Amino acid sequence: SQQGEEDPQALSIQEGENATMNCSYKTSINNLQWYRQNSGRGLVHLILIRSNEREKHSGRLRVTLDTSKKSSSLLITASRAADTASYFCATDANNAGNMLTFGGGTRLMVKP
Amino acid sequence: DVKVTQSSRYLVKRTGEKVFLECVQDMDHENMFWYRQDPGLGLRLIYFSYDVKMKEKGDIPEGYSVSREKKERFSLILESASTNQTSMYLCASSFGGIDEQFFGPGTRLTVL
Repeated sequence: SQQGEEDPQALSIQEGENATMNCSYKTSINNLQWYRQNSGRGLVHLILIRSNEREKHSGRLRVTLDTSKKSSSLLITASRAADTASYFCATDANNAGNMLTFGGGTRLMVKP
Repeated sequence: DVKVTQSSRYLVKRTGEKVFLECVQDMDHENMFWYRQDPGLGLRLIYFSYDVKMKEKGDIPEGYSVSREKKERFSLILESASTNQTSMYLCASSFGGIDEQFFGPGTRLTVL
């Protein structure tokens, strides 16, 4: 079963709006990561947040982590058409060994 | 910059053929991974390797084998391709198993 589940599965917004995607997971983690995938391409790492961190920023990206609710959110501010992509969260469940488990992803479309 | 390359972007094979997918990374990473990605199912881990000649099964190893004879190269082998192995295959590497993963561009395999 998927360790990380993204919500919503698809999101459509206008350029300039903010986009928020959520990720829920089931077991304790060491860190949670967010990745982006352009259509038909490989994934690109965006940001990693550790279990003892609550918020992290990178440019227009803001990630929060609530370990008590086992959830994370990715906020993209002032979205651009170029942000159109799928976004995945990945977790390293403590008992999963030396690997990450990816969620199903959120497909974001930003309309110009 | 880390570069992960995959031998083919698109591949068409016939049922029963032996298929080799190759992945090469140039950053001396210890860990390498093979995933398959299918619509609605996200990324699923097939196999990973944490050292030369070492391999570990992921979530869906059935029908696949792997080879890691050199640190920079990780091969995925389909001994006898079947139509249900039609998918996008993604290779990734990382320094540590739960660290940021760097992905190749993917190989879209079609088995007829």
